[in-house]
Amino acid sequence: AQSVTQPDIHITVSEGASLELRCNYSYGATPYLFWYVQSPGQGLQLLLKYFSGDTLVQGIKGFEAEFKRSQSSFNLRKPSVHWSDAAEYFCAVGARSGGGADGLTFGKGTHLIIQP
Amino acid sequence: ETGVTQSPTHLIKTRGQQVTLRCSSQSGHNTVSWYQQALGQGPQFIFQYYREEENGRGNFPPRFSGLQFPNYSSELNVNALELDDSALYLCASSPGLASHNEQFFGPGTRLTVL
Repeated sequence: AQSVTQPDIHITVSEGASLELRCNYSYGATPYLFWYVQSPGQGLQLLLKYFSGDTLVQGIKGFEAEFKRSQSSFNLRKPSVHWSDAAEYFCAVGARSGGGADGLTFGKGTHLIIQP
Repeated sequence: ETGVTQSPTHLIKTRGQQVTLRCSSQSGHNTVSWYQQALGQGPQFIFQYYREEENGRGNFPPRFSGLQFPNYSSELNVNALELDDSALYLCASSPGLASHNEQFFGPGTRLTVL
């Protein structure tokens, strides 16, 4: 069964500093990989996704993520965070086959706190 | 273009009751998935509907059931509510079945079971 681990429950970063959120996955093959953000009282918004090709993926709001097959990782990065980036971040994997019938498997999330 | 909408926003029920949650998919989307997000956890896949048929299901008991209508809107029904059913229920729609299609999430329905 596929699984996703986000090792950091909380991360505190100063505004303007760089950010890296970790994500490790377990899957029999290369899955589809996603990062979502959830602000309080909101649904999930897709930041970026990896399907194939270039392992460095650019997303919205200045985020990027790098897929490393050898480490089964898909870490999210941002060079300079803004106070509005404070939110819950979820990494997710999806199976390449089955038309999405297994849904997405999410990690438990990382709560990002921005210090002024 | 209207996004995914869910109703109601909040709901309070007691153990043993039944509840129906509703979701309107984004225009042009024929696939709807439902997720349960317990407090402090990531969303868990309940099931997916494609063209009015259940297409896949996660590890949830049969008392969780659903419907999809010809306009692709959807309902999630939960019978015999338990305290552990208290959660945020998220609906997501996508333009087809392919795994790489982006799922667009609604704001969720917060269910509290007392």
